Amino acid sequence: GENVEQHPSTLSVQEGDSAVIKCTYSDSASNYFPWYKQELGKRPQLIIDIRSNVGEKKDQRIAVTLNKTAKHFSLHITETQPEDSAVYFCAAISAQGGSEKLVFGKGTKLTVNP
Amino acid sequence: DAGVIQSPRHEVTEMGQEVTLRCKPISGHNSLFWYRQTMMRGLELLIYFNNNVPIDDSGMPEDRFSAKMPNASFSTLKIQPSEPRDSAVYFCASSPPGEGGPIRDTQYFGPGTRLTVL
Repeated sequence: GENVEQHPSTLSVQEGDSAVIKCTYSDSASNYFPWYKQELGKRPQLIIDIRSNVGEKKDQRIAVTLNKTAKHFSLHITETQPEDSAVYFCAAISAQGGSEKLVFGKGTKLTVNP
Repeated sequence: DAGVIQSPRHEVTEMGQEVTLRCKPISGHNSLFWYRQTMMRGLELLIYFNNNVPIDDSGMPEDRFSAKMPNASFSTLKIQPSEPRDSAVYFCASSPPGEGGPIRDTQYFGPGTRLTVL
């Protein structure tokens, strides 16, 4: 089945710096890669996603890149702000057993220091 | 608009007791997901329904766990009997119908139920 590895598990940056979180996946058939943000004590919320027909997608200060050959994708946050502090989860589709489902990485705790 | 509604928000119970978690998806959404979140295992899909039909229950840990979706606006996750290792936050999420199928659309999570089994 799909295995999604996420690195680093924790990341601390200064306000204004960039943050990069990387994920690798194992199922070469996977074609949808969302990123969710979970603030402390809150629910996960989708912040951006990318499908396999594009290599990069941007939305203001966040961007996601996808390398299907290498089976990895990354989240980039520029000009980080304290409110970006949260746990970020990547996910990829697993197509095991005839049905599809999302498999999540273990998460990256991002701390943006003012 | 009301988001996904879950109840109870917190549940403390003793080992061996039955626990029922409830979820009301967003109106118009036709896919519903139950997740479990722990520090050790992260966010795991337990089961998901599409048009009230269970599609994938491979994540259900064992026979003690069962889930139902009797209609488009209600689902339950039941644990009987509960054990301390079931302690976790349980999220319900729903997604709208879309061309890509239930997995390729935004999943809207509920606030979660924090379950503690003593």
